[in-house]
Amino acid sequence: NAGVTQTPKFQVLKTGQSMTLQCAQDMNHEYMSWYRQDPGMGLRLIHYSVGAGITDQGEVPNGYNVSRSTTEDFPLRLLSAAPSQTSVYFCASRPRDYANNYGYTFGSGTRLTVV
Amino acid sequence: GDSVTQMEGPVTLSEEAFLTINCTYTATGYPSLFWYVQYPGEGLQLLLKATKADDKGSNKGFEATYRKETTSFHLEKGSVQVSDSAVYFCALGLHSNYQLIWGAGTKLIIKP
Repeated sequence: NAGVTQTPKFQVLKTGQSMTLQCAQDMNHEYMSWYRQDPGMGLRLIHYSVGAGITDQGEVPNGYNVSRSTTEDFPLRLLSAAPSQTSVYFCASRPRDYANNYGYTFGSGTRLTVV
Repeated sequence: GDSVTQMEGPVTLSEEAFLTINCTYTATGYPSLFWYVQYPGEGLQLLLKATKADDKGSNKGFEATYRKETTSFHLEKGSVQVSDSAVYFCALGLHSNYQLIWGAGTKLIIKP
């Protein structure tokens, strides 16, 4: 089925380890975003991209890197994991045509625990 | 700055009760407004949307009307079911930077 695919679904890291959360979409969406979801805080934007080769920081970018070499893929890298990065991470995408006011399509999330 | 405020949860109702989840916003310009739903263990799904004042979004028996005069977008359903138990997020879409600003979410629990 078309949509946003996130891997892995669950991950446990030790403090200081690095890893990459994968996100891929097959809808040819130009815009992609990474959010983290923490209890009682809704979703907070980490990084976003408006197209291949273009990325920008969101509300909480520290400790995370992104790249967008293709339209389909938008990986999120944790450089040196910290317990404060324990969270559920969501990738989302939408088409460029905001004039039609499409909502975002979300992946099913990655639950990350840093010990 | 731009923001979204939702009523705190959890909201607990009996099956077939009437539901209202309040959402108010602060924004410059004329944003689009969205309600998303997150079922347990899943990602968020778009439930309904409205793009201009007085628009009514509706889906699966849920409705919300874009009220510019009260800066509100309250979610309503006439008769809730156990399967409606989920977390509901109100969001504001800014045309200036294409991103969404999220409320904190309201957990809804429906008891049989």
